[in-house]
Amino acid sequence: GENVEQHPSTLSVQEGDSAVIKCTYSDSASNYFPWYKQELGKRPQLIIDIRSNVGEKKDQRIAVTLNKTAKHFSLHITETQPEDSAVYFCAAGSDAGNMLTFGGGTRLMVKP
Amino acid sequence: KAGVTQTPRYLIKTRGQQVTLSCSPISGHRSVSWYQQTPGQGLQFLFEYFSETQRNKGNFPGRFSGRQFSNSRSEMNVSTLELGDSALYLCASSFSDRQYFGPGTRLTVL
Repeated sequence: GENVEQHPSTLSVQEGDSAVIKCTYSDSASNYFPWYKQELGKRPQLIIDIRSNVGEKKDQRIAVTLNKTAKHFSLHITETQPEDSAVYFCAAGSDAGNMLTFGGGTRLMVKP
Repeated sequence: KAGVTQTPRYLIKTRGQQVTLSCSPISGHRSVSWYQQTPGQGLQFLFEYFSETQRNKGNFPGRFSGRQFSNSRSEMNVSTLELGDSALYLCASSFSDRQYFGPGTRLTVL
């Protein structure tokens, strides 16, 4: 089955700096890669996603890049703010249905 | 549209008991997926239902089961509860491939 690895497990940045979280996947059949943000005690919230026919996608301060050949994808957050502090999860899915394999999560701390 | 709702939000059970959790998807969404979230194992896929049929199943024992009704509402059942079943159980509803999570049910097994 699919295996998704996520790094780093914790990331501390200064407000205004950029943050990058990286994920690798193993199954070449995976073609859908969402990112979720989970604040303490809250549900995971979909923040951005990318499909395998696209190499990069941007939404305001958030961008995701995908390298299908290397089987890795990354989340980039620019101009970080304290409210960006949360746990971020990457995931991989395929056309087989709505079955996501999640990475282990990254705890992002943005220091004011 | 109203978001995904789950009931109950909190449950305390003892070992050996069974439990049923409920999920109401976003209106118009026909797919409901269930996940278990624990500090040690992270987010793990349990199963997915689409139009009342189980379409995918994760690597969980047969004690974990589910079903979906004609209105797309879904339930999951865990029988013969074990201490290790303590977790946050999340459901997610989908129209295409984007999944939107409910608030979860926090299950504590004593």
